[in-house]
Amino acid sequence: GAGVSQSPRYKVAKRGQDVALRCDPISGHVSLFWYQQALGQGPEFLTYFQNEAQLDKSGLPSDRFFAERPEGSVSTLKIQRTQQEDSAVYLCASSETSGVQDTQYFGPGTRLTVL
Amino acid sequence: GQNIDQPTEMTATEGAIVQINCTYQTSGFNGLFWYQQHAGEAPTFLSYNVLDGLEEKGRFSSFLSRSKGYSYLLLKELQMKDSASYLCAVMHSSASKIIFGSGTRLSIRP
Repeated sequence: GAGVSQSPRYKVAKRGQDVALRCDPISGHVSLFWYQQALGQGPEFLTYFQNEAQLDKSGLPSDRFFAERPEGSVSTLKIQRTQQEDSAVYLCASSETSGVQDTQYFGPGTRLTVL
Repeated sequence: GQNIDQPTEMTATEGAIVQINCTYQTSGFNGLFWYQQHAGEAPTFLSYNVLDGLEEKGRFSSFLSRSKGYSYLLLKELQMKDSASYLCAVMHSSASKIIFGSGTRLSIRP
């Protein structure tokens, strides 16, 4: 079946605007993760869902960042009042179960540029 | 906390062998991953080690020593398409997050 998809692929926002980034995980995958990747760096963990439950949001950099997965499938990462330092690629990943060694499959990412 | 170190850049020749090292310090450990990431693309899974020793998968092998906090990724018979960033990542003991290193950018020359 299809892999993880994300939309939009590119987003340009003016500073202060709100943005919403969407992730469609692989169908049936229990776990969903959001990461932020700055240029030349590895992905940094933001938050983790198991089905609809947000079990870990320790990586969210500020209260301007909010994520939800209300029906346990599609997830949205919302950033309010965007700042220039929010410019990065936002990656979504899903895994089949909640097992510790379960492979995470990544989507292509959304490249956010804040002007 | 977590600290993962790997070289920033490496260069190797087509057909040769290259070893990418990774050292880590972690307050909890549940396994180590290697991912490959081509420029502008998503990371793709290469390997997972949780026990000490060598795991071989075709041209790629990954080694782990938990007592030394050390891993390496070995790539044999290098091809031009192997030019990419290679990310070392540690699964935290809470099992809900993977902590990534900054990645090693590998360039293959003819």
